[in-house]
Amino acid sequence: RKEVEQDPGPFNVPEGATVAFNCTYSNSASQSFFWYRQDCRKEPKLLMSVYSSGNEDGRFTAQLNRASQYISLLIRDSKLSDSATYLCVVNPTTDSWGKLQFGAGTQVVVTP
Amino acid sequence: EAEVAQSPRYKITEKSQAVAFWCDPISGHATLYWYRQILGQGPELLVQFQDESVVDDSQLPKDRFSAERLKGVDSTLKIQPAELGDSAMYLCASSLSKGTQYFGPGTRLLVL
Repeated sequence: RKEVEQDPGPFNVPEGATVAFNCTYSNSASQSFFWYRQDCRKEPKLLMSVYSSGNEDGRFTAQLNRASQYISLLIRDSKLSDSATYLCVVNPTTDSWGKLQFGAGTQVVVTP
Repeated sequence: EAEVAQSPRYKITEKSQAVAFWCDPISGHATLYWYRQILGQGPELLVQFQDESVVDDSQLPKDRFSAERLKGVDSTLKIQPAELGDSAMYLCASSLSKGTQYFGPGTRLLVL
């Protein structure tokens, strides 16, 4: 079983619609969580950190469910520029010196 | 905005040849990471440096891969000899200790 699992998609989303997807992680002791965005053939870029109480950044909302060991990302009012692969990233423990575990990514395609 | 620099951006080589990749982290970032990303997968950590010291190289195939960061600034990742399965994107990232990791544009390697 992979340590971080994501639905690879693609999620085909009409422009202006809402899309949401989850990521599950296996290590219950995991301490910090992130969503990175990766455009085709580009490097990953931090989209947002995920806090225990959930957090919002503009059209993006991230949630953490420790009991069920998953995090989610919701994108409202999707834009064409939101088309990308979204990587779920987990830092398993505070002692891991930032050794992040990446999921394989969820592809989102926003269509006109 | 400060960026992580990597070169070359693309490299085509024949199997059994030696290749080397270079990374210059964001100024002041003590922690440097080398990742390998195979198409369709998330990045996988190969080696992590704290200043000039290796913190984690547990996933580095040491029979053919080597990495150094002699002065604690820029870093080189070498593969000798390259194998077909080494074809991937090699990403360098840097951070302030355990802070947010910022990725460079990557080196896309194709081994023929």
